[in-house]
Amino acid sequence: NAGVMQNPRHLVRRRGQEARLRCSPMKGHSHVYWYRQLPEEGLKFMVYLQKENIIDESGMPKERFSAEFPKEGPSILRIQQVVRGDSAAYFCASSPPGRPVNTIYFGEGSWLTVV
Amino acid sequence: DAKTTQPTSMDCAEGRAANLPCNHSTISGNEYVYWYRQIHSQGPQYIIHGLKNNETNEMASLIITEDRKSSTLILPHATLRDTAVYYCIVSSSNTGKLIFGQGTTLQVKP
Repeated sequence: NAGVMQNPRHLVRRRGQEARLRCSPMKGHSHVYWYRQLPEEGLKFMVYLQKENIIDESGMPKERFSAEFPKEGPSILRIQQVVRGDSAAYFCASSPPGRPVNTIYFGEGSWLTVV
Repeated sequence: DAKTTQPTSMDCAEGRAANLPCNHSTISGNEYVYWYRQIHSQGPQYIIHGLKNNETNEMASLIITEDRKSSTLILPHATLRDTAVYYCIVSSSNTGKLIFGQGTTLQVKP
């Protein structure tokens, strides 16, 4: 059973460029979550998606950040016009249908560095 | 979701049991207790969860007090690979919106 797959593992972007992070959930999982971990800080929830739906985006910054989980293909976290403060580890997680939803399985993360 | 309090750090000798405490005195009746851990530079790993009863799986045991105001995660035979930050989270939400605090940094020593 493959776990949650994230790519790229490491990404370097110049200020003003776009970053796209991809996440393939575990087989059979229909819920996807994105978390961010800034350097020396804790994990913060960003967004919860199901196929073609955003369920909870209360943790997403208001501008430049967007997420999708299309009917086919991986979930994408997109950061436009990146700034140095976006440098962080971005973790995707997934969970199967059913309860409790808070039993979620994380990927190994994508480390974004903005130079 | 209820707030949790954990010690900042703990040490444990390799091969001994590691007992990690967590206080959640404001927990409400429909809130579960979850434990996750994060090994350095890796993604968080689900360990175990419980509501009222004690729970055990291949990784750990979770002991929840009768009044549910505190719990203890037990790693029965700690190894060096168990060195990590351990997070105790209390939540009733069904949105995968976990609130990670600072956790307990467990250092397993040879």
